[in-house]
Amino acid sequence: RKEVEQDPGPFNVPEGATVAFNCTYSNSASQSFFWYRQDCRKEPKLLMSVYSSGNEDGRFTAQLNRASQYISLLIRDSKLSDSATYLCVTLNSGYSTLTFGKGTMLLVSP
Amino acid sequence: NAGVTQTPKFRILKIGQSMTLQCAQDMNHNYMYWYRQDPGMGLKLIYYSVGAGITDKGEVPNGYNVSRSTTEDFPLRLELAAPSQTSVYFCASSYTPRETQYFGPGTRLLVL
Repeated sequence: RKEVEQDPGPFNVPEGATVAFNCTYSNSASQSFFWYRQDCRKEPKLLMSVYSSGNEDGRFTAQLNRASQYISLLIRDSKLSDSATYLCVTLNSGYSTLTFGKGTMLLVSP
Repeated sequence: NAGVTQTPKFRILKIGQSMTLQCAQDMNHNYMYWYRQDPGMGLKLIYYSVGAGITDKGEVPNGYNVSRSTTEDFPLRLELAAPSQTSVYFCASSYTPRETQYFGPGTRLLVL
């Protein structure tokens, strides 16, 4: 079982749509969780951290379910500029390194 | 404040050649990382460093070497390049592993 698994995508949605990405992780000792965004042929950049109580940043909402080892990212009112690959990331139990999922590609069309 | 810089941006190597990928950060981060990203795949950790003089292997270290003589620089050395090392290489840094990792723009390497 891969350590971090994501929906492969691509997700094709129209502008204004709501889209949700799911991620599962296998290491129950993982302590911290993140969503990174990677534009085509660019470097990854942190989108948001994921907290146990869930957290929101504008149109983006992240949720964590430790019991199910499941992380989600909800994007509301999608914009063309949201088109990118979204990477689910966990902090390893040794607290020194991150494990990245393969990413889910989102394509928002006019 | 340049953040994380990488050179070169693109390089073509012949099988068996060697090269060094340069990485530098000006944020005074202790932690630095080297990843490779193959098409359609996630980032794989090659090596990382928790401070000057300290390095450790990641998930895919074979065929690579690193050194960390200063806080700012973390070069990645490829010895005897192989086609399997064709990839995009990203360097990253952070204050602590729990905090944001800042990535460089990447080096695209093609081994023929």
